[in-house]
Amino acid sequence: DQQVKQNSPSLSVQEGRISILNCDYTNSMFDYFLWYKKYPAEGPTFLISISSIKDKNEDGRFTVFLNKSAKHLSLHIVPSQPGDSAVYFCAASGGTSYGKLTFGQGTILTVHP
Amino acid sequence: DAGITQSPRHKVTETGTPVTLRCHQTENHRYMYWYRQDPGHGLRLIHYSYGVKDTDKGEVSDGYSVSRSKTEDFLLTLESATSSQTSVYFCAISDRAKNIQYFGAGTRLSVL
Repeated sequence: DQQVKQNSPSLSVQEGRISILNCDYTNSMFDYFLWYKKYPAEGPTFLISISSIKDKNEDGRFTVFLNKSAKHLSLHIVPSQPGDSAVYFCAASGGTSYGKLTFGQGTILTVHP
Repeated sequence: DAGITQSPRHKVTETGTPVTLRCHQTENHRYMYWYRQDPGHGLRLIHYSYGVKDTDKGEVSDGYSVSRSKTEDFLLTLESATSSQTSVYFCAISDRAKNIQYFGAGTRLSVL
């Protein structure tokens, strides 16, 4: 049972345009969501997070939107840069989980110059 | 970078042999986690620790055990490695529950 799903295995965008990565979840107990970026042969690095009490969080070029009724979150990158090319994972935690994260399968983002 | 060191970074072993992976942190964080990453699955939690000698199972714990005798070290042991345990293993740390987790660089394990 995949509680966190990223239904797009890959996304290709032009430099300077917007990248939108999507994530859906099924567990209504999830109340904290994170996005990580991962380059080959490296560990995931934290990008941005959002608590369920908010519907938007922004940090520079990165914005995360949360739609609780739809159990959907998205990551917007504007403008996209070639260095953003990586695998992006969404993750969720909630309840009495000691911060255990449940990850989506990941989306490979390629930004073309 | 968070002070997390995983060792070894690469290991090749044979089916049936025991294997221990080490995660060492210099941040004095309470929570430590072991994940494995496989294609099509993202990262899946194997075991986690919420303090010295306090550990619990994650989503894919069968065939794995852990130990935490010091705050800074979290060991993952494959008692008898199988080919299905070929994967990339990541350690993560956090200073409290429901907070950002910081990951190590990973250990690539191949079980032949």
